[in-house]
Amino acid sequence: AQSVAQPEDQVNVAEGNPLTVKCTYSVSGNPYLFWYVQYPNRGLQFLLKYITGDNLVKGSYGFEAEFNKSQTSFHLKKPSALVSDSALYFCAVRDPRNTGKLIFGQGTTLQVKP
Amino acid sequence: DTGVSQDPRHKITKRGQNVTFRCDPISEHNRLYWYRQTLGQGPEFLTYFQNEAQLEKSRLLSDRFSAERPKGSFSTLEIQRTEQGDSAMYLCASSLGTFQGVGGYTFGSGTRLTVV
Repeated sequence: AQSVAQPEDQVNVAEGNPLTVKCTYSVSGNPYLFWYVQYPNRGLQFLLKYITGDNLVKGSYGFEAEFNKSQTSFHLKKPSALVSDSALYFCAVRDPRNTGKLIFGQGTTLQVKP
Repeated sequence: DTGVSQDPRHKITKRGQNVTFRCDPISEHNRLYWYRQTLGQGPEFLTYFQNEAQLEKSRLLSDRFSAERPKGSFSTLEIQRTEQGDSAMYLCASSLGTFQGVGGYTFGSGTRLTVV
């Protein structure tokens, strides 16, 4: 079955430090991978995607993600965290059986402290 | 407004009542999706449309749920005989074509349903 796992419910980091939010996936075929961010009482905002090509993907707000096929991972990273990055982050993978469907992880709360 | 609009933002209803939500996608987007999100969970796929055709329905979408997208523009999601387990955030999203050509879905802010 296709699935996404975000092993950490919460990640805490000090402002200015690098951050990593972890994501692993299980999908048949080539994965289409996504990261979204959700602020309280808001919808999801697209950050970045990996379809093919360079394993390091750059996205919005200074975020980037590294695709690692051998480890089936797609970790979200940022070199220097901001307090305003505090939010709920979701990793998602496209269901290869259904091009209209994204399968989301359970989410990771990022807390950046001043 | 170039975003995805959902109405209402909040809905409180008594168990057994019917509710209807509306989603207005980005005008040039041909695909429209409905997801449901419960507290502490990621969004779960419900259904999606390409233009006016409903192409996929999740098993989560019981017989009490129905979605329409007349004329391939806005969409409605109706829940009949609501149950407390229907309490959730209902998210609508739209996209243009496949994932290769777009940045991903554009989500609306959601409709939060509370069944009492």
